[in-house]
Amino acid sequence: EIVLTQSPATLSLSPGERATLSCRASQSVSSYLAWYQQKPGQAPRLLIYDASKRATGVPARFSGSGSGTDFTLTISSLEPEDFAVYYCQQRSNWPIFTFGPGTKVDIK
Amino acid sequence: EVQLLESGGGLVQPGGSLRLSCAASGFTFINQAMSWVRQAPGKGLEWVSTVSGSLDTTHYADSVTGRFTISRDNSKNTLYLQMSSLRAGDTALYYCATIFGGYTSYWGQGTLVTVSS
Repeated sequence: EIVLTQSPATLSLSPGERATLSCRASQSVSSYLAWYQQKPGQAPRLLIYDASKRATGVPARFSGSGSGTDFTLTISSLEPEDFAVYYCQQRSNWPIFTFGPGTKVDIK
Repeated sequence: EVQLLESGGGLVQPGGSLRLSCAASGFTFINQAMSWVRQAPGKGLEWVSTVSGSLDTTHYADSVTGRFTISRDNSKNTLYLQMSSLRAGDTALYYCATIFGGYTSYWGQGTLVTVSS
């Protein structure tokens, strides 16, 4: 089973700051990694897939990078609506996939 | 517009059964694999099960294998999750989601399952 770990667990930042979130896989997932945003009371929303491709309608301030076991989600300048929980997900052993435990980005 | 509407959640006693439904619209249902993902209160996301589009192959997380059954009725554009031998640890918000390119692309708003005596 591929295990994903995310760091940090919580990231406290101010609007306008840059956010860097990390996701590490227990073994290589190639580029088969996605990032999701979840706000309180809402379903998750796909942001990034295949490590670096933005999903439809996702603002350009969100970018993904990495391959193999180490991945990063960067939010270049935090907007008020970006404060949320972010999950990574791998699909390298599709149709089985796993999620990371999440990183909460909250307002400093 | 893709829409997914889950229903069927509720309070059930340990050992009981429940069937969840997910009504889909806005896309060609028969062509898309579908999944169930759950989220325990205050916790993260856990993949539960996936069914392929028209071939009806199914896959389950180890935690639900032998207790849950995923199915679909392509004539009704509906996805199901039959849950039996329910445990307290199955308490969660259950989401259905479409699969595009191997990722959970669109999600419903979820249906809450509470397992308690």
